Amino acid sequence: EAGVVQSPRYKIIEKKQPVAFWCNPISGHNTLYWYLQNLGQGPELLIRYENEEAVDDSQLPKDRFSAERLKGVDSTLKIQPAELGDSAVYLCASSLDMGQHAAKQYFGPGTRLTVT
Amino acid sequence: QKEVEQNSGPLSVPEGAIASLNCTYSDRGSQSFFWYRQYSGKSPELIMSIYSNGDKEDGRFTAQLNKASQYVSLLIRDSQPSDSATYLCAVNLKTSYDKVIFGPGTSLSVIP
Repeated sequence: EAGVVQSPRYKIIEKKQPVAFWCNPISGHNTLYWYLQNLGQGPELLIRYENEEAVDDSQLPKDRFSAERLKGVDSTLKIQPAELGDSAVYLCASSLDMGQHAAKQYFGPGTRLTVT
Repeated sequence: QKEVEQNSGPLSVPEGAIASLNCTYSDRGSQSFFWYRQYSGKSPELIMSIYSNGDKEDGRFTAQLNKASQYVSLLIRDSQPSDSATYLCAVNLKTSYDKVIFGPGTSLSVIP
């Protein structure tokens, strides 16, 4: 079974430029997450989708970040314009609803963003 | 108080020893607990989940949960150099059963 796919793996851009990340979840997984991870810290949730609906975007900086999940499968996360502080690893994860328990999440390889 | 806390380490243990990783959480209503392993430069990988008080064993790994003390731990028996990684504790929030908060991770180094 294929895992979570992300692209690109690495991205270097100048500040104020736009950037986009793409994620394809594990087939059949209805929930998709975007996380940000800084060095030495745990992943921090940016947005969570259940199918096509964004059910938790409270931590997404909406002035510059946007996300979409068309048709409830692939997802794109965009930053416009990028700032130096956005340099981090952006992780996508997916999961299958487990009912009363929080779902086991499976992570993609991540995109390492460097803003210069 | 942070929602999920872990000793930052690094924790160093000799090969063959037992590594003990600890995690405390603030939300008394949390019901789901996970341990992820993250190798340097890689993404987190789920290794254990636990939902009930007590111990859960999977090979060389044992997760221990004490909800009264708001404490979850991971024991790695017969530690191997390949276990050297950062271990992330993740806990769901009572307010949203499916929202999981990750701790900062504990770096483990197994010395041959």
